[in-house]
Amino acid sequence: QKEVEQNSGPLSVPEGAIASLNCTYSDRVSQSFFWYRQYSGKSPELIMSIYSNGDKEDGRFTAQLNKASQYVSLLIRDSQPSDSATYLCAVKGSGGYQKVTFGTGTKLQVIP
Amino acid sequence: KAGVTQTPRYLIKTRGQQVTLSCSPISGHRSVSWYQQTPGQGLQFLFEYFSETQRNKGNFPGRFSGRQFSNSRSEMNVSTLELGDSALYLCASSLGWGQGASYEQYFGPGTRLTVT
Repeated sequence: QKEVEQNSGPLSVPEGAIASLNCTYSDRVSQSFFWYRQYSGKSPELIMSIYSNGDKEDGRFTAQLNKASQYVSLLIRDSQPSDSATYLCAVKGSGGYQKVTFGTGTKLQVIP
Repeated sequence: KAGVTQTPRYLIKTRGQQVTLSCSPISGHRSVSWYQQTPGQGLQFLFEYFSETQRNKGNFPGRFSGRQFSNSRSEMNVSTLELGDSALYLCASSLGWGQGASYEQYFGPGTRLTVT
């Protein structure tokens, strides 16, 4: 079982719709969760982090965390063609000696 | 504030050679992590440095090594290059390390290494 799993996609949504990206992780004691966006040929850029169960909103982005289900998701409202990219989920366990593990990413395509 | 910088941006090497890549973190960031990214494997963790000490290490052979300097700048070295080492090598910096530290990582543009 992979430590961090994401559906590779592509996930296609029409412009203006809500895109829902999902991620599951295997380490139950994971404490920190991150979403990154990576455009083709570019390096990943941090979208947001979440540490507690529930929702965290930042502009058009909402991260949702459910530690009991070991599940984290990212919602993108009013999707734009410029949101077309690969979205990486990253998870870190508790303590300094736990590395950050990345999923392989979900490719999102927003259709104009 | 300047972002993470990596040099060189592109590199072509021959099998058996060695290579050194450099990373300068965001000012004030003291933790530097290195990743290898390939189309098939995604982002694979190489190692993490904080206060000039390696704090975490991924599952890579000993040909991959790194170090961090007192100004938090970091280098990674790959000796005896193999064709499979062709990849994008990414450096990421974060504020600190340890319990309670923020692990929000900010990536540099990467070094594209091609081994022929």
